[in-house]
Amino acid sequence: GAGVSQSPSNKVTEKGKDVELRCDPISGHTALYWYRQRLGQGLEFLIYFQGNSAPDKSGLPSDRFSAERTGESVSTLTIQRTQQEDSAVYLCASSFRAGGTGGELFFGEGSRLTVL
Amino acid sequence: GENVEQHPSTLSVQEGDSAVIKCTYSDSASNYFPWYKQELGKGPQLIIDIRSNVGEKKDQRIAVTLNKTAKHFSLHITETQPEDSAVYFCAASIGGGGADGLTFGKGTHLIIQP
Repeated sequence: GAGVSQSPSNKVTEKGKDVELRCDPISGHTALYWYRQRLGQGLEFLIYFQGNSAPDKSGLPSDRFSAERTGESVSTLTIQRTQQEDSAVYLCASSFRAGGTGGELFFGEGSRLTVL
Repeated sequence: GENVEQHPSTLSVQEGDSAVIKCTYSDSASNYFPWYKQELGKGPQLIIDIRSNVGEKKDQRIAVTLNKTAKHFSLHITETQPEDSAVYFCAASIGGGGADGLTFGKGTHLIIQP
């Protein structure tokens, strides 16, 4: 079946503009994660959704970042008033159960954001 | 929260040789340790994992060892091949989801020299 789908794959924007990144998880996966990966760096946790529970937003770096997920379907990550330091690849992952309990995370190919 | 250190950041080995990547973790309550492989332009993919109730796990050319006392775990790749070239991430978890669900190391760029 289809894997995790992210769009756009590449986004170039000007400083100060808002951007919206989309993630389509694997059907039936209740857990969804967003990570940020700066060039040559590791995976920085941003936000976690599990079913209908309140999301864990503890990784969001500032109030310019927000994310939504409707039920167990699509999620969007919004970055307002983008800054150059927001340039990175944004990875979405979904899993049947929480990653920390042994649920394999299935990652999308990421959305590469470049802020000029 | 959990802290995971991963070494080396870059590892270059000759094709056919073995490669070892090491990680340490800080929280003795961590009980699940997966390894993910990220090829260029792709998202990370789980290649092997181990739980705290075992000391070693093998899958063909890949093995992972865990030393709970020392709080470190390692990935071993034998008979390396060009397709093993990638970035490898270790992770540790105390269970559950969210920020504490999985803490990743900073990654190791493995280069297989022909």
